[in-house]
Amino acid sequence: QVQLQESGPGLVKPSETLSLTCTVSGGSVSSGSYYWTWIRQPPGKGLEWIGYIYYSGSTNYNPSLKSRVTISVDTSKNQFFLKLNSVTAADTAVYYCARGKWEHYFDYWGQGTLVTVSS
Amino acid sequence: QTVVTQEPSFSVSPGGTVTLTCGLSSGSVSTTYYPSWYQQTPGQAPRTLIYSTNSRSSGVPDRFSGSILGTKAALTITGAQADDESDYYCFLFLGSLRVFGGGTKLTVL
Repeated sequence: QVQLQESGPGLVKPSETLSLTCTVSGGSVSSGSYYWTWIRQPPGKGLEWIGYIYYSGSTNYNPSLKSRVTISVDTSKNQFFLKLNSVTAADTAVYYCARGKWEHYFDYWGQGTLVTVSS
Repeated sequence: QTVVTQEPSFSVSPGGTVTLTCGLSSGSVSTTYYPSWYQQTPGQAPRTLIYSTNSRSSGVPDRFSGSILGTKAALTITGAQADDESDYYCFLFLGSLRVFGGGTKLTVL
């Protein structure tokens, strides 16, 4: 059974960088056909796709966030990462990591982690 | 800017049938957009219901079904139960873009 677990600071100051880790168990981030994805959900609002990284290292980002986002992977630790720089209060959200299958749906999700941007 | 549209809210009686839809602000949804559907209850991560238009995810009861109806993707719940009361999101693969709909809040009463 594949499991994903997000971790990282729950509070980030405005203008700083949000950094999250997703640890994968029961599966490998090196497997083909899977797109390791970040999704977020502001409080009381809908889901927003942030982007993904493929095991080869290729990435694809939401155009609205592309200038501020970096997703990377560490195959030795079976983890992938999200960095979002120059954050504002609008980046306050629950951040989910998920396994994307065939680029077009998500079959496993992490439980999510709330990140608040505040001074 | 491409917007994926969903009904903001819907209600259904217990045992009834409801169809939620997922459209595009411009154009029609087709199977080539691989519509998928997710159910989310408050405080929980989304749960995958349907992928590739009409394939049920593992463990999803067959009263959930997906289709294309006219110009939109559709999620039909047959024999609604109280615990179907949730938010439902569709997701579309639009080439280089991947976009969630705004979600539909389903009330069962």
